[in-house]
Amino acid sequence: GAVVSQHPSWVICKSGTSVKIECRSLDFQATTMFWYRQFPKQSLMLMATSNEGSKATYEQGVEKDKFLINHASLTLSTLTVTSAHPEDSSFYICSASCSSYNEQFFGPGTRLTVL
Amino acid sequence: AQKVTQAQTEISVVEKEDVTLDCVYETRDTTYYLFWYKQPPSGELVFLIRRNSFDEQNEISGRYSWNFQKSTSSFNFTITASQVVDSAVYFCALSEGSNAGKSTFGDGTTLTVKP
Repeated sequence: GAVVSQHPSWVICKSGTSVKIECRSLDFQATTMFWYRQFPKQSLMLMATSNEGSKATYEQGVEKDKFLINHASLTLSTLTVTSAHPEDSSFYICSASCSSYNEQFFGPGTRLTVL
Repeated sequence: AQKVTQAQTEISVVEKEDVTLDCVYETRDTTYYLFWYKQPPSGELVFLIRRNSFDEQNEISGRYSWNFQKSTSSFNFTITASQVVDSAVYFCALSEGSNAGKSTFGDGTTLTVKP
């Protein structure tokens, strides 16, 4: 299957700082990328859908000004958690898909801890 | 709106036992895709299977088998002769054909296989 990478795999930061997470599709062009958040012992919750070259579509309850998503190329999407607080600590997972596939390919996830 | 229900929160079995994980879904689309993923403690999602709504044929892959029944909107997953390495959280997910790639996940079932 297609390969999706995420960087960093884990990050610890102080409250109030901003954190950027990268999601890359390594061997295919991803027209659509998804960002999920997973709290401990919970399911994956979709945060937003991003299409290359256009604004992301956020799910209800997700603050677009806090979670900035940029999908500037067909192989890269970034999620920036602005002014992170301890309640933003979570496991963030991206996935990528394209019109040729009827499925999404998941990255390995980024574990964010905000102190 | 689509919904996935995994009624079993936790299951514990002894090695070599067979175990079935239940998944019930709701969707209005006639074209959709069902998935099962394994999430070990590392957090990375491992893709197990994809099934589209027009293919009700059951599938077997080694010790894994899947039973898809549209009449009951279920897509159950059975592990035969379970092993300790099967211990993980298993997620069932649904993707509607009108929005390929965007998935709704069930709450997951935590499977513990004891030696």
